[in-house]
Amino acid sequence: DIQMTQSPSSLSASVGDRVTITCRASQDINNYLAWFQQKPGKAPKSLIYAVSSLQSGVPSKFSASGSGTDFSLTISSLQPEDFATYYCQQFKSYPFTFGPGTKVDVK
Amino acid sequence: EVQLLESGGGLVEPGGSLKLSCAASGFTFSGYAMSWVRQAPGKGLEWVSGVGGSGSVTYHADSVKGRFTISRDNSKSTLYLQMNSLRAEDTAVYYCAKGCDTLCYRVDHWGHGTLVTVSS
Repeated sequence: DIQMTQSPSSLSASVGDRVTITCRASQDINNYLAWFQQKPGKAPKSLIYAVSSLQSGVPSKFSASGSGTDFSLTISSLQPEDFATYYCQQFKSYPFTFGPGTKVDVK
Repeated sequence: EVQLLESGGGLVEPGGSLKLSCAASGFTFSGYAMSWVRQAPGKGLEWVSGVGGSGSVTYHADSVKGRFTISRDNSKSTLYLQMNSLRAEDTAVYYCAKGCDTLCYRVDHWGHGTLVTVSS
């Protein structure tokens, strides 16, 4: 099975900050990587697929990059609605594993 | 607009069974793979099961293999998860998730989830 790790597990930031979250796969997953945002008590929301393509309706303050085993998600200017937990997921091969999540909260 | 509406969750005793349903609308159901993803209280997301658009290809995580069965009825645009031999560690919110193509399990839409509690 492909294992996914994320760092940091949590971070504290202020409105307007630039925030970067990293995700690492235990083996090469090409570009089969997606990012999700989840707010407390809500269903996850799809943000980014195929490493760097924004899901429809997702604002351009979100960007992502990477290849092979190392990936990152960046929020260019953090807004109040961006405080949430972010997950990466590989969909290259079954089981389609998620990372453990990165919680972004208010400093 | 894509809509996924889960139902069937509830309280069940250890060893019991439950069947979840997910009614889909707003897209051609048979054209997309579907998955169930769960989240235990205070924990992260765990992919549980997936089924291809035709229903002939299915996958299950090792944690549920032999106990859970995913299926779909394309004539009713409905996804199912039959859960048997339930354990306390199966307690979670179960989300129905739409894939990006017939055999693509990347999630592009999520349901709101249904809570399953396994407890005596």
